[in-house]
Amino acid sequence: QQPVQSPQAVILREGEDAVINCSSSKALYSVHWYRQKHGEAPVFLMILLKGGEQKGHEKISASFNEKKQQSSLYLTASQLSYSGTYFCGTERNYGGSQGNLIFGKGTKLSVKP
Amino acid sequence: DGGITQSPKYLFRKEGQNVTLSCEQNLNHDAMYWYRQDPGQGLRLIYYSQIVNDFQKGDIAEGYSVSREKKESFPLTVTSAQKNPTAFYLCASSPRTGRVADTQYFGPGTRLTVL
Repeated sequence: QQPVQSPQAVILREGEDAVINCSSSKALYSVHWYRQKHGEAPVFLMILLKGGEQKGHEKISASFNEKKQQSSLYLTASQLSYSGTYFCGTERNYGGSQGNLIFGKGTKLSVKP
Repeated sequence: DGGITQSPKYLFRKEGQNVTLSCEQNLNHDAMYWYRQDPGQGLRLIYYSQIVNDFQKGDIAEGYSVSREKKESFPLTVTSAQKNPTAFYLCASSPRTGRVADTQYFGPGTRLTVL
């Protein structure tokens, strides 16, 4: 049930673009994206709800394709501050766990000058 | 400032000892969570609580225990039954508005090392 993220790691030069994917074998109700710097707490980026919407946060945007049960995070014109590990969290909707998230293993993004 | 505090940041214990990790929030959130993070494994849910005096097991609850006697506090005890307790532990909270899963806000984490 854990969502699968790809790629596992990516290295960019400043100004380059990247796409991180998050796929689930179960129907998705919402997808949450977080970024974590080494040794720090994950920080919320955005939430996408069922309906195929696309959201943006500065130069970071995301899409949600419920038919494909997939979300993608787009980082454009990457900055050094974008470095970190990106996690997607998908909502559980079974049993008594509604509303809880299950997280992918993360994608490590390194932006070099 | 509102937020979530975890203490201590680093914790060392001898094998076989129980240890309690603190988590406090002043966000007035109903739900609180404990996650364990190991390298390359992402965040795995240990326990969660949606309301005071009630909590549920997550995916890896064995060897852990929790209590929720106050809305703002959700301590986690790592018992001697936990086989591999060395990890980074994260506490989170969310408002539980009743919609789809709410944003979770994380504390700074406690890095536990069992010697």
